[in-house]
Amino acid sequence: QQQVKQSPQSLIVQKGGISIINCAYENTAFDYFPWYQQFPGKGPALLIAIRPDVSEKKEGRFTISFNKSAKQFSLHIMDSQPGDSATYFCAASSRNNAGNMLTFGGGTRLMVKP
Amino acid sequence: EAEVAQSPRYKITEKSQAVAFWCDPISGHATLYWYRQILGQGPELLVQFQDESVVDDSQLPKDRFSAERLKGVDSTLKIQPAELGDSAMYLCASSRGTGSPYEQYFGPGTRLTVT
Repeated sequence: QQQVKQSPQSLIVQKGGISIINCAYENTAFDYFPWYQQFPGKGPALLIAIRPDVSEKKEGRFTISFNKSAKQFSLHIMDSQPGDSATYFCAASSRNNAGNMLTFGGGTRLMVKP
Repeated sequence: EAEVAQSPRYKITEKSQAVAFWCDPISGHATLYWYRQILGQGPELLVQFQDESVVDDSQLPKDRFSAERLKGVDSTLKIQPAELGDSAMYLCASSRGTGSPYEQYFGPGTRLTVT
């Protein structure tokens, strides 16, 4: 049961371009939406996160846009750099007794060409 | 900067053998998670601990997988017997559990290959 759908599966962008990754969710109980960046052989690292009470959050070159009514959110990477080449995962969180449990999207493999 | 530690980083085992993975969360983090990540897919939660207690193990194949966190600090995930389909990356993550409960920090993972 895939509760978080992510697209595209892979993305190639020229250096300096904008990378856009989209996610959609179904469970309205989700109340926190983080993005993780994962390099080969490494664990995922938290990149940026948003709560549903705001429509946009920006940190440096990374921006999350959130549309609560459409149950969609996206990651924009401005001025993409070769060092951004990695796999990106969106996730959604819902509370349980201990805090939260994350449901991940399927991932987007980003390649930024020099 | 504090990190989640995992060992071993790589493990090759034969089908039907037993394997174990170890995780040491960030100091002070009450909540610990074990995820399985199949190549090309997102991580999937196997088990979640709050201190030494299991909060959620609904996705843990309990006929062959077991997890423990006896003193509420480090944790061990065991598979016995291993099957070919268990080949994956096993990730451990931790979070404070209170205050900023949504921020999970992942370790480098253990890459398991079952032959």
